[in-house]
Amino acid sequence: DAKTTQPPSMDCAEGRAANLPCNHSTISGNEYVYWYRQIHSQGPQYIIHGLKNNETNEMASLIITEDRKSSTLILPHATLRDTAVYYCIVRVANNAGNMLTFGGGTRLMVKP
Amino acid sequence: GAVVSQHPSWVICKSGTSVKIECRSLDFQATTMFWYRQFPKQSLMLMATSNEGSKATYEQGVEKDKFLINHASLTLSTLTVTSAHPEDSSFYICSARVTAGGGNQPQHFGDGTRLSIL
Repeated sequence: DAKTTQPPSMDCAEGRAANLPCNHSTISGNEYVYWYRQIHSQGPQYIIHGLKNNETNEMASLIITEDRKSSTLILPHATLRDTAVYYCIVRVANNAGNMLTFGGGTRLMVKP
Repeated sequence: GAVVSQHPSWVICKSGTSVKIECRSLDFQATTMFWYRQFPKQSLMLMATSNEGSKATYEQGVEKDKFLINHASLTLSTLTVTSAHPEDSSFYICSARVTAGGGNQPQHFGDGTRLSIL
């Protein structure tokens, strides 16, 4: 199973871009990178996912390096409501379905 | 977008009580749903994978007789914590993935159930 490594915490000023890194050096060719976030006392919220190309949606952008060993989630204009724990997950497939394995994540604190 | 509804959101009950938690996919069908548990200041831990019409698959260390899972339809899975004790107090979260549309579809999570056993 490809594991991910994220910094435990990061700060970001409100209105600035938040760049959250993730290392997944053992990722295999058919594994996708998913990003979720969890605001306190809520279930995780899906943000974005990608395989090899950069992706963008209304919430964020995902930049995946050419060798796919790392990625960066970009929140272009962070707000206080973006304060949350952000999880980078490489999806593992097994016979029972495509479960997600959560690591420690990055606790992003957006400050005024 | 895909919505997963979880009920109840908060349960407080006495030790020895059995508690049932429901997880529904509101606008899509899900042949597979997942149940996670999260203790304070920890990450989510997968407990079991719920498969519509068949037995659930439990992760190592999770007692199947303690945590009963039923997935009787394509939109509903239930988790019953039997004879709950204080150590079962936790945040229980379900998720479901849209079955159609390819294997890379993301999972969507419910808002969780906070279980407190007195």
